[in-house]
Amino acid sequence: DTGVSQNPRHKITKRGQNVTFRCDPISEHNRLYWYRQTLGQGPEFLTYFQNEAQLEKSRLLSDRFSAERPKGSFSTLEIQRTEQGDSAMYLCASSPPHGANTEAFFGQGTRLTVV
Amino acid sequence: SQQGEEDPQALSIQEGENATMNCSYKTSINNLQWYRQNSGRGLVHLILIRSNEREKHSGRLRVTLDTSKKSSSLLITASRAADTASYFCATGGSWGKLQFGAGTQVVVTP
Repeated sequence: DTGVSQNPRHKITKRGQNVTFRCDPISEHNRLYWYRQTLGQGPEFLTYFQNEAQLEKSRLLSDRFSAERPKGSFSTLEIQRTEQGDSAMYLCASSPPHGANTEAFFGQGTRLTVV
Repeated sequence: SQQGEEDPQALSIQEGENATMNCSYKTSINNLQWYRQNSGRGLVHLILIRSNEREKHSGRLRVTLDTSKKSSSLLITASRAADTASYFCATGGSWGKLQFGAGTQVVVTP
């Protein structure tokens, strides 16, 4: 399977714990995005990487959130001191370097539940 | 914040009928895209229409774009039970960043 892969698929954690999610994009895609989706809503942009450079972060990405893409391949999203409001589906997407008019390929998401 | 607003929020139709959903957005765009999401899963790209295009077809899908009204519509013809899903419009920014609406939940009954 050469699609976008996200791990884990589900994560249940206690409030206050740290969690880390991983995203493996399609190999030839240099653009990588993280989105967050809550129930009944569309995905909301969190951050964007072009190769290893993090070029934009949403205001939604508080200080407790950090994302990395150290070698321009896979990416990790860490949430420190989780809160119940962090419960959501975290989606990763990648796209090829072909300008603005290109589709995004999404992974299956990581569903986070903070109890 | 959500860029697009879909209408209706929910749609229930029978197999064979057509389904139409609309999307309005607020700012200028490079393109507008439609995605489908089956329950609890990732999004699947359906179609992309550029800002200088007015209509586009893909199989049973037809998308229109009216940049003067900042609106788009998605028509699914001859719907099937497998079309049951949530449908999202998203506006495409300068480097592929997407801003999504809240979606239309479509249920197709046999």
